Amino acid sequence: KAGVTQTPRYLIKTRGQQVTLSCSPISGHRSVSWYQQTPGQGLQFLFEYFSETQRNKGNFPGRFSGRQFSNSRSEMNVSTLELGDSALYLCASRGGGWTDTQYFGPGTRLTVL
Amino acid sequence: AQTVTQSQPEMSVQEAETVTLSCTYDTSENNYYLFWYKQPPSRQMILVIRQEAYKQQNATENRFSVNFQKAAKSFSLKISDSQLGDTAMYFCAFMKGYGNKLVFGAGTILRVKS
Repeated sequence: KAGVTQTPRYLIKTRGQQVTLSCSPISGHRSVSWYQQTPGQGLQFLFEYFSETQRNKGNFPGRFSGRQFSNSRSEMNVSTLELGDSALYLCASRGGGWTDTQYFGPGTRLTVL
Repeated sequence: AQTVTQSQPEMSVQEAETVTLSCTYDTSENNYYLFWYKQPPSRQMILVIRQEAYKQQNATENRFSVNFQKAAKSFSLKISDSQLGDTAMYFCAFMKGYGNKLVFGAGTILRVKS
């Protein structure tokens, strides 16, 4: 099976712009989670989607949003970008069962100038 | 809220030797899962090993094994016969049962030297 894919891999934006990141899960996986990784804060959970519904959300401002499509692909959007949003954004997929392991994609490196 | 602590920011080991990475966690949950992930310089997060809290037997995956001490809330990773390709950042992570988010420690950078 192909692994989790994320596009784009690298992105440069300026403050105030918005950005959309995409994640395609492993075939058959119905759950997609997003994490932000920064040197200062480490790895932090953003949100999880299952069957097009957000099941859980981390402590991030409303500028961070996401959605999931019927084919389980997910997108996350960040509006009004700030310098502090520069990070590696990781997507993880799992089957959807509560005991399933999360498998990660290669990440999208976002730089905000 | 759950917390995960990795007290060793950096470690190094000679090729072919054994190294142990430490992890402690804090939770009031009884049903949970623990993981070790590695993140090499490519930044791809790779699952190393998983442990179910209800299992007393320590998980093993080839050269990787854990020492799970539930009462002490300790979950260390032992890497035997270290290889250059083991050089990476290692993260300990917690997920409660019926949960959907991983809580990560700060990570330990492991360098394997030839």
